[in-house]
Amino acid sequence: GAVVSQHPSWVICKSGTSVKIECRSLDFQATTMFWYRQFPKQSLMLMATSNEGSKATYEQGVEKDKFLINHASLTLSTLTVTSAHPEDSSFYICGGREAVGELFFGEGSRLTVL
Amino acid sequence: AQRVTQPEKLLSVFKGAPVELKCNYSYSGSPELFWYVQYSRQRLQLLLRHISRESIKGFTADLNKGETSFHLKKPFAQEEDSAMYYCALSGRGAQKLVFGQGTRLTINP
Repeated sequence: GAVVSQHPSWVICKSGTSVKIECRSLDFQATTMFWYRQFPKQSLMLMATSNEGSKATYEQGVEKDKFLINHASLTLSTLTVTSAHPEDSSFYICGGREAVGELFFGEGSRLTVL
Repeated sequence: AQRVTQPEKLLSVFKGAPVELKCNYSYSGSPELFWYVQYSRQRLQLLLRHISRESIKGFTADLNKGETSFHLKKPFAQEEDSAMYYCALSGRGAQKLVFGQGTRLTINP
């Protein structure tokens, strides 16, 4: 199957700093990228959907100024957690899809904010 | 609104026994249903989708629109089936994929 790569897989940062997580589709063009957040022992909560070249569509309750999503190319989407706080600590997972095909997921990125 | 419910957080069965992971959904339009699996230390991967009506690794799932269910079944569980299983729903033509809470399946030897 197709491959989606996330980087970094693990990041620790100080409270108040910003962190960028990259999501790359390695062998296909991801016209749509999805960003999920997963708390320990809980399900994946969809944060936002982004289409290449367009603004992301955020789910209700997700602060778009807090979680900046950029999808400038068909192979790269980024999630920037701005002014991170301990409550932002979580596992973030991206998924990429080409047109209406299968959704492929990255390995996930674990963010710990001290 | 799209909603997926997996009533069992944990499910434990013995090797060789039948397995059924329950999934119910709520959606006003025509849904597309999926099962994803996450093995230990691996990423989420698609197990099967209702449209394809395939049997993958011995698993099958039938969409029951009357009961709004998409239960995952396997007649004889194997130890390598131990994993986290997520049921997910997408509206036809819609983009976003919504997940259930997940069920951790453990197959005992």
